Amino acid sequence: RKEVEQDPGPFNVPEGATVAFNCTYSNSASQSFFWYRQDCRKEPKLLMSVYSSGNEDGRFTAQLNRASQYISLLIRDSKLSDSATYLCVVKLSGGSYIPTFGRGTSLIVHP
Amino acid sequence: GAVVSQHPSRVICKSGTSVKIECRSLDFQATTMFWYRQFPKKSLMLMATSNEGSKATYEQGVEKDKFLINHASLTLSTLTVTSAHPEDSSFYICSAREGTSVLEQYFGPGTRLTVT
Repeated sequence: RKEVEQDPGPFNVPEGATVAFNCTYSNSASQSFFWYRQDCRKEPKLLMSVYSSGNEDGRFTAQLNRASQYISLLIRDSKLSDSATYLCVVKLSGGSYIPTFGRGTSLIVHP
Repeated sequence: GAVVSQHPSRVICKSGTSVKIECRSLDFQATTMFWYRQFPKKSLMLMATSNEGSKATYEQGVEKDKFLINHASLTLSTLTVTSAHPEDSSFYICSAREGTSVLEQYFGPGTRLTVT
């Protein structure tokens, strides 16, 4: 089983739609969780951290479910500019500081 | 925010030649630098982790003699792809970290290598 798994998609949604992605992780000792956004042929950029209590940033909401070992990203009122690949990142605490990236979920928002 | 630069942004080389990619942290000291490779429509794959002044730690399956990494200073790391082959064509991205938090990890813009 891969350490971090994501549905590669693509998710094709119309403008204004609400879309959600999940990401599962295998190591229960994982402590830090993040969502990155990567545009085509560009480097990944941090979108938001995922806190245990869940967090919201504008149209984006991230949640963590430790019992089921997954994190989610919800995008409301999708914009054309939201089209990108969304990478889930998981990091262990303690001696290992190297983050593990999921393969990403592709989102295409169309008019 | 912090900036990481990579040079060159794009390179085309002939099979058998070597290519050097530079990664610089412009306004902070990077205690650790990471080198990733990403094939089209594939996930970001960590190749190696390097700490300034010490040998790089390579991920399983990455040939250390083919992908030479030098982290000579706190602001510069280089990746040299030796005797490049067409299958080495990929998007190479470096990342630099000042501390230990992922939030302090910044990515370079990437280098697209094409080996003909």
